Amino acid sequence: EVQLVQSGAEVKQAGESLRISCEGSGYSFSTFWISWVRQMPGKGLEWMGKVDTDDSYAIYAPSFQGHVTISSEKSTNTAYLQWNSLKASDTAIYYCARQTTGFDADFDYWGQGTLVTVSS
Amino acid sequence: QSELTQPPSASGTPGQTVTISCSGSSSNMGENFLYWYQQLPGTAPRLLIYKNRQRPSGVPDRFSGSKSGTSASLVIGGLRSEDEADYYCAAWDDSLSGPVFGGGTKLTVL
Repeated sequence: EVQLVQSGAEVKQAGESLRISCEGSGYSFSTFWISWVRQMPGKGLEWMGKVDTDDSYAIYAPSFQGHVTISSEKSTNTAYLQWNSLKASDTAIYYCARQTTGFDADFDYWGQGTLVTVSS
Repeated sequence: QSELTQPPSASGTPGQTVTISCSGSSSNMGENFLYWYQQLPGTAPRLLIYKNRQRPSGVPDRFSGSKSGTSASLVIGGLRSEDEADYYCAAWDDSLSGPVFGGGTKLTVL
């Protein structure tokens, strides 16, 4: 069974750093891209970027370039989303999702989401 | 502002058929596949329709998708209370070099 299991909820202060994770199981992890999707409170889905889990090559949506870092480690079947300096506006649920191809909108499996709360 | 446009809300009574629309542009829906996602309250999204009209295993055939040019529709037949959710369309956008989502449609079952 394919599963993406994300790390737990986080409560942080503005300016702090954070890394959340997404562990894949039940499939060949390094043959699929992993994307990260943001959902701000009461809002819709926004694609942040994706990582080629074979070599950790990441591509970012313009809105998120420079503010987050996406990476992966195939030895542990884990993808990461990282901030160096959080802002209150980063408060959201973050989902990881598997992509069959890297150049489509095909998110066939999703993690359960990680709630990040940033206080100012 | 989303690159794909959906109505913010839709509603129907049990047993009815409801249609949710999604419109885009030549850079996204023109030559690329359209996907639909269902997000039940408090849960992660799940893939509902892929490649315009295909259903993943486990998705009831009450759900159907279609696409023509830069417009697409999700049709839900035999509406049930458990269909109450947010529905999102998504497509690859050639201009942005990334996937884009519609703003989402909140379906209420009356």
